[in-house]
Amino acid sequence: EAQVTQNPRYLITVTGKKLTVTCSQNMNHEYMSWYRQDPGLGLRQIYYSMNVEVTDKGDVPEGYKVSRKEKRNFPLILESPSPNQTSLYFCASQNRAKNIQYFGAGTRLSVL
Amino acid sequence: QKEVEQNSGPLSVPEGAIASLNCTYSDRVSQSFFWYRQYSGKSPELIMSIYSNGDKEDGRFTAQLNKASQYVSLLIRDSQPSDSATYLCAAYNTDKLIFGTGTRLQVFP
Repeated sequence: EAQVTQNPRYLITVTGKKLTVTCSQNMNHEYMSWYRQDPGLGLRQIYYSMNVEVTDKGDVPEGYKVSRKEKRNFPLILESPSPNQTSLYFCASQNRAKNIQYFGAGTRLSVL
Repeated sequence: QKEVEQNSGPLSVPEGAIASLNCTYSDRVSQSFFWYRQYSGKSPELIMSIYSNGDKEDGRFTAQLNKASQYVSLLIRDSQPSDSATYLCAAYNTDKLIFGTGTRLQVFP
């Protein structure tokens, strides 16, 4: 089954404690992306990657890091989380030929 | 002007009616548009894409693109309570997919 898998689904942490949210896709897509979703602000892109070892900033990259060492995985790293990073996060991978993005189930992060 | 704009709603329609959702866009986005549906607490899922002027129909859904007026709309015929969700309009700015803030649709029996 084609899917995008994010882990964990829920995470509560404290300010400054480094964390990683994993994302994996099994569709052999080159393009992957991370979004955060906040009430009234909609989905905003954090980082995206057009291929292995190629990453670019989206609209809200501050406080986040990503890496793309292999095609299927695109982890999101928060080196020093702060309360304003409390949000719902989505990973997505894209079929470039059809410009269709497939989303993971989401990770709800709370930073205390 | 934001790249993609939507009215946040909620838009309330009775069951069986036509729901009309609208989205306007700026010159900064490309001419490919997407409608995603998102149920509360769930991830967005693509329901329609449209690339050229005019209408595109898929079942109860019709997407309409008017490039001259820079708007794209989604019509849902015979609305059902299960259509109650937030509908997100999206378009590309180079390699970035830009989403509107979404319109919440409520279909009441």
